Amino acid sequence: GAVVSQHPSWVICKSGTSVKIECRSLDFQATTMFWYRQFPKQSLMLMATSNEGSKATYEQGVEKDKFLINHASLTLSTLTVTSAHPEDSSFYICSAAGIGDTIYFGEGSWLTVV
Amino acid sequence: GQQLNQSPQSMFIQEGEDVSMNCTSSSIFNTWLWYKQDPGEGPVLLIALYKAGELTSNGRLTAQFGITRKDSFLNISASIPSDVGIYFCAGLRSADGLTFGKGTHLIIQP
Repeated sequence: GAVVSQHPSWVICKSGTSVKIECRSLDFQATTMFWYRQFPKQSLMLMATSNEGSKATYEQGVEKDKFLINHASLTLSTLTVTSAHPEDSSFYICSAAGIGDTIYFGEGSWLTVV
Repeated sequence: GQQLNQSPQSMFIQEGEDVSMNCTSSSIFNTWLWYKQDPGEGPVLLIALYKAGELTSNGRLTAQFGITRKDSFLNISASIPSDVGIYFCAGLRSADGLTFGKGTHLIIQP
């Protein structure tokens, strides 16, 4: 079946630095990928929709200059958290649309900003 | 963003019991999906529903897409310890990201 892979699984960074998270569709092409954020004991909240070859569409309240999204190929989207702060610490999850509008998720990436 | 109304928020049941949870929305969705999430991991797809009224089974799991396209339920029969986790419903409109319910925490007592 379809597989979506995220890297890294977890990362710890210093406040003020930038962190990049990769999302890859391993056995299918995904023109659209989605980035979510999840705080402990809460549901997933959509941050942005990543479209291959064009600018990402951000949800209301999500700073596009802080959360940079690049969808450079049909199998790779990246999320860069710029000038990270402790409040950015969260679980970030990507997903991609496979055959038949089914959404498959990556394993998630834990970000801790110290 | 919009969220689906998912209930119950949590369930404490005995092993072997059946489980039922549901989601409702004020908006219509083209596709309903049910996911299970274990701590520290991404959601894993359990069942996908594409047609209004559709009833689909996956082993001990059964889910239905409401006829109005505004609701769905998930049933788990004869629960086992590995069913513990958080279950999310999600609705999808074409070209949009998923809209999620707040999750149902399932806890199974031996």
